[in-house]
Amino acid sequence: ETGVTQTPRHLVMGMTNKKSLKCEQHLGHNAMYWYKQSAKKPLELMFVYNFKEQTENNSVPSRFSPECPNSSHLFLHLHTLQPEDSALYLCASSQDSYRGRANVLTFGAGSRLTVL
Amino acid sequence: QKEVEQDPGPLSVPEGAIVSLNCTYSNSAFQYFMWYRQYSRKGPELLMYTYSSGNKEDGRFTAQVDKSSKYISLFIRDSQPSDSATYLCAMSAYEGIQGAQKLVFGQGTRLTINP
Repeated sequence: ETGVTQTPRHLVMGMTNKKSLKCEQHLGHNAMYWYKQSAKKPLELMFVYNFKEQTENNSVPSRFSPECPNSSHLFLHLHTLQPEDSALYLCASSQDSYRGRANVLTFGAGSRLTVL
Repeated sequence: QKEVEQDPGPLSVPEGAIVSLNCTYSNSAFQYFMWYRQYSRKGPELLMYTYSSGNKEDGRFTAQVDKSSKYISLFIRDSQPSDSATYLCAMSAYEGIQGAQKLVFGQGTRLTINP
């Protein structure tokens, strides 16, 4: 597999469920990201990990819990979500977000989440 | 005021037309300007990026940055139905050699090229 792979592609869950989204990158990158994409809104940065360390938490509610066990894998654990959390969740990776150069992101295809 | 403004469209043009997509921004510290293309049911993919002001051309695509006006554009010549997608602008500031760059995205413009 190449690029950034996200599973599952589609997820329907109730407000009391616990589920997880998984992301894997095969690009040798050191930074990984979670973004939320909602209709008619810009991409919202949720979390950033550089070399497995969380470097950004963009005031995301605690019902979203990220986990980065290594530079190639990223998880987003979901629990007691709200219907307004329904969106496309995109994982991305980049070489790293430092070094004063363009931070070019490679995105996965996304996980479409519906909260009932 | 949003940091990055982009008209969400939708924009519909006939095949072969020249398409102009635009974004304005408010943060004068932005120095990297990117265009991503997102097909339906796919993630965004980088189309091209420029550093600071000026033009950059790649085949039928030209990216233009006017920092004095805080305005960037993407032109598509000889547009094709396969260009139908959502186009997102994104930009970031240089934070220094140890600083982390955060990309700020526009809302995206949905473009349809009609055969």
